[in-house]
Amino acid sequence: SYELTQPPSVSVSPGQTASITCSGDKLGGKYTCWYQQKPGQSPVLVIYQDNERPSGIPERFSGSTSGNTATLTISGTQTMDEADYYCQVWDSSTAVFGGGTKLTVL
Amino acid sequence: EVQLLQSGAEVKKPGESLRISCQGAGYTFSNYWITWVRQMPGKGLEWMGRIDPSDSYADYSPSFEGHVTISVDKSISIVYLQWSGLQTSDTAIYYCARVMGGGPGFDSWGQGTLVTVSS
Repeated sequence: SYELTQPPSVSVSPGQTASITCSGDKLGGKYTCWYQQKPGQSPVLVIYQDNERPSGIPERFSGSTSGNTATLTISGTQTMDEADYYCQVWDSSTAVFGGGTKLTVL
Repeated sequence: EVQLLQSGAEVKKPGESLRISCQGAGYTFSNYWITWVRQMPGKGLEWMGRIDPSDSYADYSPSFEGHVTISVDKSISIVYLQWSGLQTSDTAIYYCARVMGGGPGFDSWGQGTLVTVSS
């Protein structure tokens, strides 16, 4: 079965740029989505189709894909961005999530 | 405003049956697939399966096929997730989410239903 690999944790200082990676075989040939989940809350879609932002998502969130790695970038990270982040793709009609990355802003 | 309203928390014993629900509002219900996602305590998101409300076609992750059933009553805009024999390992929060049209993501999520299975 298809697997997506994310780092368990990433730390960033407020105002700096955070990058969260997601790797998988032939990932560049799939569309990657990213979700933010804060404690006790439902996930929120922040990026779809590699680099598109849903309405209401701040411009500081962006996405990119190169080769086998997708990256979620948060520019000018704010304390409110502290959360778990999950990547997700479709593989043969099955949705697959990465294991999640805990972003700490300190 | 798109809303997915899920049924309340459940406490069940191993072997019991259960059906939880997800009601869509604020959009044309039949036009969007609905998916279910599991989150075990302290763990990540796992995709379980999805259903097309327009024709009730459902498909499942191999990890969940045969253990759960996804169904729909489009007359009342409700999607169901059901078990016929719960296990303690089914203890989790279950989320429904709408599959966005024209894109691969899940653009609106329910508030989650906590299912606790304990003897």
